Amino acid sequence: DQQVKQNSPSLSVQEGRISILNCDYTNSMFDYFLWYKKYPAEGPTFLISISSIKDKNEDGRFTVFLNKSAKHLSLHIVPSQPGDSAVYFCAARSSGTYKYIFGTGTRLKVLA
Amino acid sequence: DTAVSQTPKYLVTQMGNDKSIKCEQNLGHDTMYWYKQDSKKFLKIMFSYNNKELIINETVPNRFSPKSPDKAHLNLHINSLELGDSAVYFCASSLTTTTGELFFGEGSRLTVL
Repeated sequence: DQQVKQNSPSLSVQEGRISILNCDYTNSMFDYFLWYKKYPAEGPTFLISISSIKDKNEDGRFTVFLNKSAKHLSLHIVPSQPGDSAVYFCAARSSGTYKYIFGTGTRLKVLA
Repeated sequence: DTAVSQTPKYLVTQMGNDKSIKCEQNLGHDTMYWYKQDSKKFLKIMFSYNNKELIINETVPNRFSPKSPDKAHLNLHINSLELGDSAVYFCASSLTTTTGELFFGEGSRLTVL
């Protein structure tokens, strides 16, 4: 049972445009969410997080939106750059537990 | 200076062998993890240690045995390797069990022939 789902395995976006990566979850106890970026042959790198008490968190070109009623979060990258081409994972954790559950990732390709 | 380092990065071995992967973090974190990324790209937690104490032990065959000699190190030993053990194994650490994001190592790609 996959509690965190990224239904789009891949996404292509033109340089300078907005990239929107989506993530859905099923466990209503999740209260902390993270996005990671992963380049080939490297470990995932933390990008941005959001707590369930917020519905938006912004850090430079990256913004994460959380819609608790829909159990949905999204990562917006504006403007997209070729260096953003990577696999993006969302992850979620419920309070009082020690483990993050990861989605299967979305491969973003930013076209120059 | 790498924050979370794993060795070896690549490991090719025969079925039935025993192998170990080592992990060290220099971040001063209390909690360390092993994750497995299989061929379907799922990143699944296997084990977690907090200050040398095992706190997460997912449904993993007991051929896998983690060891944490101190809070900066978490090693993974695998006995009697099987074809299905082929995967990328990631070590990670976090400040505590409930605070801070995960910092990952570069991964160790294990191929069992």
